[in-house]
Amino acid sequence: SQQGEEDPQALSIQEGENATMNCSYKTSINNLQWYRQNSGRGLVHLILIRSNEREKHSGRLRVTLDTSKKSSSLLITASRAADTASYFCATVPAFRGDYKLSFGAGTTVTVRA
Amino acid sequence: SQTIHQWPATLVQPVGSPLSLECTVEGTSNPNLYWYRQAAGRGLQLLFYSVGIGQISSEVPQNLSASRPQDRQFILSSKKLLLSDSGFYLCAWSRYNEQFFGPGTRLTVL
Repeated sequence: SQQGEEDPQALSIQEGENATMNCSYKTSINNLQWYRQNSGRGLVHLILIRSNEREKHSGRLRVTLDTSKKSSSLLITASRAADTASYFCATVPAFRGDYKLSFGAGTTVTVRA
Repeated sequence: SQTIHQWPATLVQPVGSPLSLECTVEGTSNPNLYWYRQAAGRGLQLLFYSVGIGQISSEVPQNLSASRPQDRQFILSSKKLLLSDSGFYLCAWSRYNEQFFGPGTRLTVL
């Protein structure tokens, strides 16, 4: 079953604008990860944030985590046409000895030139 | 560096025919291996998970099976395909938390 749920399902923005998407999850986590998928391709890992972290940056990406609300957000600043893709959050549940990920349904981002 | 391969890239099969999708990983040893299915416009559903040769965990009851005959080879199979088996199949590997995905196989069952 899916652990993460992304919001919104789809997002259309102008090049140069910021894109923000959210992820909510249900059970306690060890870490939360964000992945990008270009149309018809495999997923690419973007960033991982651990349960004891609140914010993380990687280039134009900023991820926040609020474990009290069981939610995370991904911000892409100064978007480019190449950022057009689907973005998925995935969680690793706490108290488990494996590294299986539970993926949400994703947010489809379209960046207009 | 590590590389993950999947083939074929696309496949069109009739209902009732067998299936064999292959995934191989290069540049790492003893990886965790995963098979996912993605329906159109949806997230990923974990089908199988393997921590070693011959060790397969099935996540959902279904018409498919998986095998790991070698450390870096993961095979997804079916004896008789159903229409509902259509989808985008992704193989992935991991050491710890981060997963690395192959390019995927688009399967259409007619």
